[in-house]
Formats: sequence, C-alpha cells, structure tokens
Amino acid sequence: DTGVSQDPRHKITKRGQNVTFRCDPISEHNRLYWYRQTLGQGPEFLTYFQNEAQLEKSRLLSDRFSAERPKGSFSTLEIQRTEQGDSAMYLCASSIQGYTDTQYFGPGTRLTVL
Amino acid sequence: EDQVTQSPEALRLQEGESSSLNCSYTVSGLRGLFWYRQDPGKGPEFLFTLYSAGEEKEKERLKATLTKKESFLHITAPKPEDSATYLCAVQAEETSGSRLTFGEGTQLTVNP
Repeated sequence: DTGVSQDPRHKITKRGQNVTFRCDPISEHNRLYWYRQTLGQGPEFLTYFQNEAQLEKSRLLSDRFSAERPKGSFSTLEIQRTEQGDSAMYLCASSIQGYTDTQYFGPGTRLTVL
Repeated sequence: EDQVTQSPEALRLQEGESSSLNCSYTVSGLRGLFWYRQDPGKGPEFLFTLYSAGEEKEKERLKATLTKKESFLHITAPKPEDSATYLCAVQAEETSGSRLTFGEGTQLTVNP
C-alpha cells in the first residue's frame, strides 16, 4: 500500500493556459474523489468516480473543469482557460466502496495562476 | 445543505496542557463523522471515523467523541509534534452521495 499519489506537486501557470493534474489512488480502491482547498479553508468537494463512472459533480464546478478516470484506475483533472481564482491546492482521495467509505488523501497539487 | 462549524479557529497550548476542539454539524442523516490532521503543505491524514452518538475512539493522545449535534477531539498532554490543523468532516447517507463536507479546521499550536 503506497498511498495516494499526485503529480505534479506544484504547478505555476499563466492565466488563460490549460493545466492537467494526475491522481493515482490506493490500489484496489474503486472510488476516487477530487477536492479543492484554499488557504485557511477546509477542502471543498469537486467530483467523484466509482470505477470509471463519474457519479457526482459539485454545482460549484465550472464547465472549465473536467475530470476523467478512463480505466477505473488513475484519474486526471483538467482546468481550461485558468483564472487567478483557480489558484488553490487540488486534493485527490480514494476509498473502497462500502458503508465506512473512509477517504485517504494524497499530498495534493498546488496550483498558482499568475 | 450539510454544514460543519469548528471552534476555536486557532488554539495555542503549552506542552502538557490538555484541551478540546469542537465540531458542530448539521446533516441529512449522518453516515459518518471524520477527523483528519493536516500539516502545512500536505494532504489531510485520516485519524478517526465515528458513526453513532455515544461512540468514542482513541489514538495516542487523541480521543474523539460524538453526540447527535457535535463531536469533540480531546487532546491529552499534547506535545509540540501535535501542532497541526485538525479538520472535521461529515458524510451523509449513501443516497446523498459520498462527498465529505469539511469545516474550516482548528489550527493547533503546542509550545514546548
């Protein structure tokens, strides 16, 4: 069990550019979640997958954001036409479907939009 | 809409000075209440899950308790390495999805 991994750990981009983040969940975890966290706030839910199906998206999620989990393993989160307000820590978590559903988080990707 | 409120926002303790953090919540059917620890620049680290009122869980110097409206994280004789932000989150019943709704956290500093 190597834990949830995320890549890159840091990303600096200019406003208007597209960025893509990757998340590798704990092996055998079939649920994968994306959250966003800004300074001084708790994580905010963005979306989640069960296997390859995207089952829930936050109403706050702009249409500039898209996530995929094509084979039910790793996931990517893409942000198109980045804005300064997108600057945040993007966290990925995974869990095993079940009543307990405890989510284990990765180290996060810190995005800075200049 | 599910809501979580944590207090205090920040807490400064001397080493060995015990205290409690509070998490008040409203949720449409609680499936679980979670406590996480987060160090600066890192992802949240899972501590406890509580499922029903009256339940208690312990790990080293930490003890979490749950009532129908709130949860407490008791820290006994804290050490400087306990300094971190402690996050509380709730998960609603399965039909409401699997998202966690987090509070803003309590930033704990333990001075030697």
